[in-house]
This record gives sequence, structure tokens and C-alpha cells, in this order.
Amino acid sequence: GQNIDQPTEMTATEGAIVQINCTYQTSGFNGLFWYQQHAGEAPTFLSYNVLDGLEEKGRFSSFLSRSKGYSYLLLKELQMKDSASYLCAVRDISGNNRLAFGKGNQVVVIP
Amino acid sequence: DVKVTQSSRYLVKRTGEKVFLECVQDMDHENMFWYRQDPGLGLRLIYFSYDVKMKEKGDIPEGYSVSREKKERFSLILESASTNQTSMYLCASSGQGIYEQYFGPGTRLTVT
Repeated sequence: GQNIDQPTEMTATEGAIVQINCTYQTSGFNGLFWYQQHAGEAPTFLSYNVLDGLEEKGRFSSFLSRSKGYSYLLLKELQMKDSASYLCAVRDISGNNRLAFGKGNQVVVIP
Repeated sequence: DVKVTQSSRYLVKRTGEKVFLECVQDMDHENMFWYRQDPGLGLRLIYFSYDVKMKEKGDIPEGYSVSREKKERFSLILESASTNQTSMYLCASSGQGIYEQYFGPGTRLTVT
């Protein structure tokens, strides 16, 4: 099985940069996903990492280190609409396309 | 755009009732999933299906069953609803070799 750990909440100022960390333990790692979820809404896909390194997509970047079982999501130039929960999810090679989700990190953006 | 729809956004049922939650996707995806989401516990997988008439238990299948008679539709059934099944239920789908899951809007179920 997987064990996925994320900090629970952080507050940041509009225009700032925030880094959200995720650590995981899994026997057959086969990809890590980041999702954004606004209150009362469904999660939406942000990024996918399967190899080590940084993936950049506009204001959002995601980093993966497989040897350390570690990923982070970097949000730049924070906007009020970025206030949401950010979910880390790991796919295991034995899991038949199922994902194991962390509990999510609530980011609150203040003016 | 992928569209995943769920039959109800809000549902109130009584203890002991049989409850059906329906999910439909329009992208011909092979894989479909049912999760529940509770504060402090995150998303937990109840059941999933990787093909018509196929189903596999997730992490918390007790008290639930599923049905997949057609590729686009995946139903979650609560045989006898209990108050501890009050939760947000989310359906998702993904294609073969496409690992990203697309989520429906969710059904907030309250069992009284």
C-alpha cells in the first residue's frame, strides 16, 4: 500500500510563491499527480510527474525525487483564486490504475 | 472536454434505505472509480472498475456495492444506508494508458 503525507494548511499573500510538499512510501511507484480542489467542487488535474525533475506549467511547477519519495508543487504569483486544497496522489504499478490520495493541503491566499 | 456527470448534487436519505448513486462519463474511458471524501480523511477509494461487468474493491468497500453494465455508467449502491455513510461521494474516470482521472461534481449524501 501507499503512505502519503502532506501538511494540512498554509496561508500566503497574493503575489507570493508557495511550496506544497508531499512525501510518499510505495512499493511500486508509477507516477505522482497533483490536483486542485476548490471548496464544494470536484478535484481538477494540475500536473503529473513520473521521472525525476521539474515540470513547469505556467504559474505552477511540480518537482519529483523518486529516491527520496518526495514531491512539491510550486505556485508562483499567487492569486486569490488559488485559495484551494491541493491534493497529492500516487499511482502504484500494482494498483491497476488506481490512485492513493493524500489528505490535501489547504492554501489560503490573503490580500 | 471530458465530462463526468453524477445523478444528484445533494441527496437526503433515511437510515436503512437503499441508495443508488449514478455516474456517467462521455469519453469512452475504461476505468471508473468511486471515492468518498470526509474532512480530515481525504479521498478514499470505495470501488473501481476497469471494464464492463468488472469490479474491484478499494480501501473501504464495506457497506457498498457497485454495478457496471455499460461502459459509460458506473453505479454505487448503498444496500442499507447508515448515518456513517453521510459524506461527499465523487466519481472519476480514466482511459487505458491515460492515468489522469477526471472527476464528476460530487454528490453530497446525508443519511438521517
